[in-house]
Amino acid sequence: GAVVSQHPSRVICKSGTSVKIECRSLDFQATTMFWYRQFPKQSLMLMATSNEGSKATYEQGVEKDKFLINHASLTLSTLTVTSAHPEDSSFYICSASRAQQGNTIYFGEGSWLTVV
Amino acid sequence: GQNIDQPTEMTATEGAIVQINCTYQTSGFNGLFWYQQHAGEAPTFLSYNVLDGLEEKGRFSSFLSRSKGYSYLLLKELQMKDSASYLCAVRDAAAGNKLTFGGGTRVLVKP
Repeated sequence: GAVVSQHPSRVICKSGTSVKIECRSLDFQATTMFWYRQFPKQSLMLMATSNEGSKATYEQGVEKDKFLINHASLTLSTLTVTSAHPEDSSFYICSASRAQQGNTIYFGEGSWLTVV
Repeated sequence: GQNIDQPTEMTATEGAIVQINCTYQTSGFNGLFWYQQHAGEAPTFLSYNVLDGLEEKGRFSSFLSRSKGYSYLLLKELQMKDSASYLCAVRDAAAGNKLTFGGGTRVLVKP
């Protein structure tokens, strides 16, 4: 079964609004989670590293004020896309490292965001 | 930074074997992962190598040579459902254990 759960799986929002995506580690604690974005037919691109209890680390070119990351607990990280624009429409995926299995990295189911 | 290369596409016949190669350059190697990704879905974990050698899991095997910066994923007894993208990803301890992906290899299995 899934070890990392992501919600919602699909969301449509209007331009200018904000949308929150949740990533939960199931039955294990994840001090670090990662957020990726994937455009059609392209590979996953790391957006940011989410650290429990501290600020996220963003990759170059990713606007931290636009993509707000909150890792408030050891099992939950959230990504909020603020003031969304159509070009933010993409597949957003989170991942978490499971220590019990040699730090194997598992992915959530992904969230399709469409901004209209 | 990291450089991860894998072929863009491969085609194979049902029942056959396909080997997907991946080469990488990284300063703080801390494991190599293979994932399968069907169109429109999130990647699913296939294998993890951190030491040299072969890891076998049913029809899928993965090999790693750290000195050569090389890995391959071997898919045996191909089935139609194996048609997917296969992603090679390297974790770099020198970069906060981030996972960096290759471009992915689209495998098409034909009857």
